[in-house]
Amino acid sequence: GESVGLHLPTLSVQEGDNSIINCAYSNSASDYFIWYKQESGKGPQFIIDIRSNMDKRQGQRVTVLLNKTVKHLSLQIAATQPGDSAVYFCAGLSGGSYIPTFGRGTSLIVHP
Amino acid sequence: IAGITQAPTSQILAAGRRMTLRCTQDMRHNAMYWYRQDLGLGLRLIHYSNTAGTTGKGEVPDGYSVSRANTDDFPLTLASAVPSQTSVYFCASSETSGSREGSGELFFGEGSRLTVL
Repeated sequence: GESVGLHLPTLSVQEGDNSIINCAYSNSASDYFIWYKQESGKGPQFIIDIRSNMDKRQGQRVTVLLNKTVKHLSLQIAATQPGDSAVYFCAGLSGGSYIPTFGRGTSLIVHP
Repeated sequence: IAGITQAPTSQILAAGRRMTLRCTQDMRHNAMYWYRQDLGLGLRLIHYSNTAGTTGKGEVPDGYSVSRANTDDFPLTLASAVPSQTSVYFCASSETSGSREGSGELFFGEGSRLTVL
């Protein structure tokens, strides 16, 4: 099955810096990936997604990069703000089930 | 639009008791899911339902049961709660399941924090 992991459990950055959160996956059949943000005491919320036929997708202040060769994706947050402090999860989907498998999460701490 | 509503938001339960966590969505999504979230383990899938009338087992189904009598409701039942079921439970829904069309994005509820003593 899908195995999705994160390289670092905690990432601390200064306000205004760019943040990069990494995620590795093991199933080469994975063809759709989603990044979620979870603020304290709340449920995860969708940030951005990317399909395997793309290697980059941009949103508002966020960019997701997909490297299928090494089975790695990253979430880049530009000009990180205190409101970006949260746990970030990547989720991979593959095959016909489209049931996502979540990584363990990276806690992003933004220092003012 | 409420989205996903979970109840209760928090509950303390004695071991051995039966408990049902409720989940209702108003988005007419086909697929619904129950996850548990434990520190250091992320979100783990308990059960899912691709459409009303069908359910399936996820990664950690033991000790839990679900039903999907209609599109909107997807209750999770602990028949006889044990302390290892202490966790935060999230219900989610998505438009798509078993299809390559659509975004596949999951919409989550705010969670139900369950403590089993």
